[in-house]
Amino acid sequence: DSGVTQTPKHLITATGQRVTLRCSPRSGDLSVYWYQQSLDQGLQFLIHYYNGEERAKGNILERFSAQQFPDLHSELNLSSLELGDSALYFCASSSHRGVGMYQETQYFGPGTRLLVL
Amino acid sequence: GENVEQHPSTLSVQEGDSAVIKCTYSDSASNYFPWYKQELGKGPQLIIDIRSNVGEKKDQRIAVTLNKTAKHFSLHITETQPEDSAVYFCAASTSLGGSGGSNYKLTFGKGTLLTVNP
Repeated sequence: DSGVTQTPKHLITATGQRVTLRCSPRSGDLSVYWYQQSLDQGLQFLIHYYNGEERAKGNILERFSAQQFPDLHSELNLSSLELGDSALYFCASSSHRGVGMYQETQYFGPGTRLLVL
Repeated sequence: GENVEQHPSTLSVQEGDSAVIKCTYSDSASNYFPWYKQELGKGPQLIIDIRSNVGEKKDQRIAVTLNKTAKHFSLHITETQPEDSAVYFCAASTSLGGSGGSNYKLTFGKGTLLTVNP
């Protein structure tokens, strides 16, 4: 158990709909990262939040957005869903104090499996 | 941007044998290389990592080697056991710079499905 929690575990929805995925980082971790895992694209970095502020964007679609709240939990919002958005969505957390020359270890949650029908 | 290639995509070994998974990266600025193990229905779990200031790191049956000149790194698992069966991912971390401290991005390889046969 990494200490990172994600809800829900499974989500089934229809095209055009909007869903919200939730992540709680490990106690004390300030950074949250979101990833999408699909069979053809592998694990793709979407976005990084540190202490409530967006720090970096990866391959995140404009239909997707995220935020990190004062209690440090994060939500990933996916809207106008398409069949191709079906994937596993993981969040990871790290202490990431923003100093030092090396990435700090990222600890992954159990993921949310999204199926768009 | 960074590109990470991982080989092989599948690997089948007999229990007790060694397994080696290799990755290459493209960005010479990458300086942190973690390996994750992902079991079915679970999230990736860090098993070992290495920073660019060392060439090798070992933790019991698992070791990672890094060749910065050639830009490749490898995972070595000795005395494999059936519970080692899983998908293994390598990754490379590059600093994205930015104000207020460093930002990093992890780029993952496509994964290796390791099967250890009893």
